[in-house]
Amino acid sequence: AQKITQTQPGMFVQEKEAVTLDCTYDTSDPSYGLFWYKQPSSGEMIFLIYQGSYDQQNATEGRYSLNFQKARKSANLVISASQLGDSAMYFCAMREGGSQGNLIFGKGTKLSVKP
Amino acid sequence: AAGVIQSPRHLIKEKRETATLKCYPIPRHDTVYWYQQGPGQDPQFLISFYEKMQSDKGSIPDRFSAQQFSDYHSELNMSSLELGDSALYFCASSLTVGAYGYTFGSGTRLTVV
Repeated sequence: AQKITQTQPGMFVQEKEAVTLDCTYDTSDPSYGLFWYKQPSSGEMIFLIYQGSYDQQNATEGRYSLNFQKARKSANLVISASQLGDSAMYFCAMREGGSQGNLIFGKGTKLSVKP
Repeated sequence: AAGVIQSPRHLIKEKRETATLKCYPIPRHDTVYWYQQGPGQDPQFLISFYEKMQSDKGSIPDRFSAQQFSDYHSELNMSSLELGDSALYFCASSLTVGAYGYTFGSGTRLTVV
């Protein structure tokens, strides 16, 4: 079974609008971490935001926020006030268990911001 | 701030040749991870090292091997290259105590012809 599911292969958003990228996860481990990465066409993997399974509040980092709904096992990324430079591939990833664990990635969502 | 350094950035090899990719983690980071990302695919975990010892193994082919040296840099050795090995290879490093983040290098784009 897929550990990380991103159901939107591609998304379009108008510049300056907000967009939500979906991510659901599957784990039986009570301790896990959820990550979002941005990968522009140049290829580098850029860390955006992190949510721990025990964190009480939703994570925020500038224009990025994570809508963490633990009971539904979802960790959607919200980008506010989209910019042209936000056009990229976005990956949701999970680390299970301890802090040495590797990341399991979803298939990604390609976001295109329209002027 | 220092980042994860990977070399080379680009590499072109012929089938059946060997390739060595290098990764220099962020100083004092104690764990190194290798990932393979095929064209249009999500990154797949290959192998990781904690304090120079192999800590976990993912979908790494037997033709590949990796190690971490005393100075904490890591090398991924790939032999008998196949066309399907063409991919972007990422190295990431992290500090396991008191932190949660993984920092990725810029990747090595390997093309096998």
